[in-house]
Amino acid sequence: GEDVEQSLFLSVREGDSSVINCTYTDSSSTYLYWYKQEPGAGLQLLTYIFSNMDMKQDQRLTVLLNKKDKHLSLRIADTQTGDSAIYFCAETLRGWGKLQFGAGTQVVVTP
Amino acid sequence: ETGVTQSPTHLIKTRGQQVTLRCSSQSGHNTVSWYQQALGQGPQFIFQYYREEENGRGNFPPRFSGLQFPNYSSELNVNALELDDSALYLCASSSDPTSTDTQYFGPGTRLTVL
Repeated sequence: GEDVEQSLFLSVREGDSSVINCTYTDSSSTYLYWYKQEPGAGLQLLTYIFSNMDMKQDQRLTVLLNKKDKHLSLRIADTQTGDSAIYFCAETLRGWGKLQFGAGTQVVVTP
Repeated sequence: ETGVTQSPTHLIKTRGQQVTLRCSSQSGHNTVSWYQQALGQGPQFIFQYYREEENGRGNFPPRFSGLQFPNYSSELNVNALELDDSALYLCASSSDPTSTDTQYFGPGTRLTVL
């Protein structure tokens, strides 16, 4: 089974904020990532956070990290129809380039 | 600076056949990782190649093998194809084996096994 867990589906209205949640199991993970995948496409790196941080903001994206609960979230402000996609949370260990992905959260933005 | 490219984009094979998928890494990158993404799931790590040597492997059988060339491009070979091998195969290149913060993915090869 997955070591990284995500909810499978999120529906949000255009202009609202989206929050996608993820839990991971490896407390030694040093980097945590959010990737976006549009239909028929590869993975696009959206943002990442180093494990000694608790927040990172990048334009419309805000990543929150709660190390105690091993919980990661991605907030998308002012969600647009172009944000409709599958979002993957992933973790990795220092010194080991393997990414461990969750199953993905499908985000559907409605007008 | 060119991105990560993969070929072919789509491929249909039958059970028992062999397949080779190709990946060209981003300029300046010496490490290539391969992932399998089954329908409705997240990508699963297959293996990583660094400077022409395998540098770590996930939970995949030996019929999944790879190569990396001096120009750092890479191939994924799968022998004795099974129906469950149907998936999107993604490669990612990075500037060194540990740099997942600079790991960029190609568009993938969609393999269908009939």
